[in-house]
Amino acid sequence: DAGVTQSPTHLIKTRGQQVTLRCSPISGHKSVSWYQQVLGQGPQFIFQYYEKEERGRGNFPDRFSARQFPNYSSELNVNALLLGDSALYLCASSLEGRTKSEQYFGPGTRLTVT
Amino acid sequence: QKEVEQNSGPLSVPEGAIASLNCTYSDRGSQSFFWYRQYSGKSPELIMSIYSNGDKEDGRFTAQLNKASQYVSLLIRDSQPSDSATYLCAVNPLYGGSQGNLIFGKGTKLSVKP
Repeated sequence: DAGVTQSPTHLIKTRGQQVTLRCSPISGHKSVSWYQQVLGQGPQFIFQYYEKEERGRGNFPDRFSARQFPNYSSELNVNALLLGDSALYLCASSLEGRTKSEQYFGPGTRLTVT
Repeated sequence: QKEVEQNSGPLSVPEGAIASLNCTYSDRGSQSFFWYRQYSGKSPELIMSIYSNGDKEDGRFTAQLNKASQYVSLLIRDSQPSDSATYLCAVNPLYGGSQGNLIFGKGTKLSVKP
């Protein structure tokens, strides 16, 4: 079975621009979570979606938004990019968006903001 | 603020030895605990999950949980050079914005010397 897929793999943007990252979960998984990982740190939670509804939001500014589609794929949007947004953006899928649901990560999108 | 603490390492062990990785967490109500392995430049890979006090074994890996001490550990027996990676401890807090939210430590870098 295919794992979590993310696109694009790498992205270079300029400060002030907007970016959209995409994620397809494992077949049968209904929950998608987004994380940001900067070098030397563990991933930090951004959003969780389950059955197309936002289930949780981490401590990120309103420039970050996301949505989940009827096929359970998801997009993460970041507006007005800052240099500090440069990071590895990870999508994780799980069967359900509840405690004890194991999360499986995609390969990530490496975003560089110049 | 909910936190997950890990020694950053690097932890260096000879090939064939037991590697012991430790993690403490601050949210006493946490329910689910996970260990991920992350190779340099790659995304995290789930290797163990544990939900109850005690030990859980899977091949060369053993996860240990002590909720009273708020302590989780991962033992890797017969360590191989291919085990060299950063190991991330993740905790699903009882209250954290969503039940699917994972809080990660910064990771422990393990180096297995041939």
